[in-house]
Amino acid sequence: DAGVIQSPRHEVTEMGQEVTLRCKPISGHDYLFWYRQTMMRGLELLIYFNNNVPIDDSGMPEDRFSAKMPNASFSNLKIQPSEPRDSAVYFCASSFGEQPQHFGDGTRLSIL
Amino acid sequence: SQQGEEDPQALSIQEGENATMNCSYKTSINNLQWYRQNSGRGLVHLILIRSNEREKHSGRLRVTLDTSKKSSSLLITASRAADTASYFCATDGGWGKLQFGAGTQVVVTP
Repeated sequence: DAGVIQSPRHEVTEMGQEVTLRCKPISGHDYLFWYRQTMMRGLELLIYFNNNVPIDDSGMPEDRFSAKMPNASFSNLKIQPSEPRDSAVYFCASSFGEQPQHFGDGTRLSIL
Repeated sequence: SQQGEEDPQALSIQEGENATMNCSYKTSINNLQWYRQNSGRGLVHLILIRSNEREKHSGRLRVTLDTSKKSSSLLITASRAADTASYFCATDGGWGKLQFGAGTQVVVTP
């Protein structure tokens, strides 16, 4: 049974570059969440979708961040332009209805 | 902002001992959940307790919830080295939107 799949697992890039993080949720799940985890701020919800529609993006830090879910089996989170303070582990999670969330193993992003 | 605050921040115990960690939160909730995170991995759901429940068990896990005090506790009995991980409480105020605490780092030594 495949879980939530995130790619890449690690990304190192230079400041100013565009970064794209990808997520494949569990088949049949209707909610998808993007989180960011840092030592300083812990785990923060950035945005979540229900049936591919963004419901709440109040956690997106600024206009440099955008997320889309073009279909039920794929979502991406883009940062353009990237900055060193964007360095973090980004997690994608999915769930069905009110069931608990299933997390991917994250993308560790380093912006130099 | 973080809704839940875990206590202690870190816990070191020996195999066979029990581990207890606490979570306090600020606003009303539909349910409270506990997750485990192993180093370099995503979070794994452990147990969910609804606002009208006071205690719940799952294997070696026991969770309590006191809504009057806005607090919850997670007890891991007879700990094993494999229980070494960070443990997070998360509150669900509705619509499945979770707010996580800062976590308790548990180290179980053989």
